[in-house]
Amino acid sequence: DGGITQSPKYLFRKEGQNVTLSCEQNLNHDAMYWYRQDPGQGLRLIYYSQIVNDFQKGDIAEGYSVSREKKESFPLTVTSAQKNPTAFYLCASIRDRLNTEAFFGQGTRLTVV
Amino acid sequence: EDQVTQSPEALRLQEGESSSLNCSYTVSGLRGLFWYRQDPGKGPEFLFTLYSAGEEKEKERLKATLTKKESFLHITAPKPEDSATYLCAVQARNNDMRFGAGTRLTVKP
Repeated sequence: DGGITQSPKYLFRKEGQNVTLSCEQNLNHDAMYWYRQDPGQGLRLIYYSQIVNDFQKGDIAEGYSVSREKKESFPLTVTSAQKNPTAFYLCASIRDRLNTEAFFGQGTRLTVV
Repeated sequence: EDQVTQSPEALRLQEGESSSLNCSYTVSGLRGLFWYRQDPGKGPEFLFTLYSAGEEKEKERLKATLTKKESFLHITAPKPEDSATYLCAVQARNNDMRFGAGTRLTVKP
């Protein structure tokens, strides 16, 4: 079955540690996105990537980093520079150009302890 | 700057009471407008993509429409299982995808 997979579902991190969230898709989608969602709020764009080896900052990129070495994978690293990292993180992918359908993973809930 | 505004923030309906949710947008070069449904603790579930003014799409009790400035999600005779947060997003010419804050819909039996 094709889909977009985020792992882990729950993640706990100590203050001062970096942590990497995984996002993998087997939909052959071109563009991938990372969002952050805080309780009762909408989704805010962290980073997005349209093609392999290229990505752009969204509205809240500070304290985060990404890579796009393969079309299928777009991992997000939450660094110790991110002052308030506890949130629900969502990854999405879009098949661009001819068929703009966008799908989300089930999210990773990150808690800093 | 690209912006997406959804209204109302919350909507309570009785089962069978039809209504509409609004998504107003300003964007430089609209490539697509998306509607999603999100249940608590889950990722958003894709509902529709609309590409140009005048376009309409339907799925069960939901119908999405698009003008040059806004989109409506019409819910006809809703059921309690339609209770969720409905999110609107726009994809701009530069391919970034921005979301509104959502409308939290509650349908009472």
